[in-house]
Amino acid sequence: GAGVSQSPSNKVTEKGKDVELRCDPISGHTALYWYRQSLGQGLEFLIYFQGNSAPDKSGLPSDRFSAERTGGSVSTLTIQRTQQEDSAVYLCASSQPLGDRGREGYTFGSGTRLTVV
Amino acid sequence: SQKIEQNSEALNIQEGKTATLTCNYTNYSPAYLQWYRQDPGRGPVFLLLIRENEKEKRKERLKVTFDTTLKQSLFHITASQPADSATYLCALYNYGQNFVFGPGTRLSVLP
Repeated sequence: GAGVSQSPSNKVTEKGKDVELRCDPISGHTALYWYRQSLGQGLEFLIYFQGNSAPDKSGLPSDRFSAERTGGSVSTLTIQRTQQEDSAVYLCASSQPLGDRGREGYTFGSGTRLTVV
Repeated sequence: SQKIEQNSEALNIQEGKTATLTCNYTNYSPAYLQWYRQDPGRGPVFLLLIRENEKEKRKERLKVTFDTTLKQSLFHITASQPADSATYLCALYNYGQNFVFGPGTRLSVLP
């Protein structure tokens, strides 16, 4: 598509429930990233996918968080047994398939605002 | 520990003036530094990238400087307009790592 698409745009869930957040990156972008942004805070790195390589999961805050990327395109971030501190905006970004990805900016989606009540 | 600071959580300036935002970092040696703009309810939008061996980069009314000795980047918007009001984020990158973002500065350009 023309941009990075995320769904849903808003999600309210009860504490303890599982949620799935979806990201559809720009066609042809092999790199995909998930970040989290809490109110008034900077972006917190969660996970990074590059092509068929093993994902970099170093930013996932706990084992309740997991992500997968099917067919090198769409990605799903899953949060199990949600807690109130999981409330944040979850942003997905993709970038060009460059060997040196620092040279290109990321294209971000509009995010999913997750509220755990 | 590694730290990125963006001075001034919020900055108010008069329309037509030059806005200057700062990004300072410690315990980091970035190969690249980027600046993004973020509007409320939207994801960040990439503006400019500067490499460690570059001192200055310009794009239209935007100018970025990068001083690896001071460990600082300055982001300037000349002839500022109310439409420039947004939060501006700096992000640092080093090889084999992921971008690390600063907390952002909220800029308000007053008519």
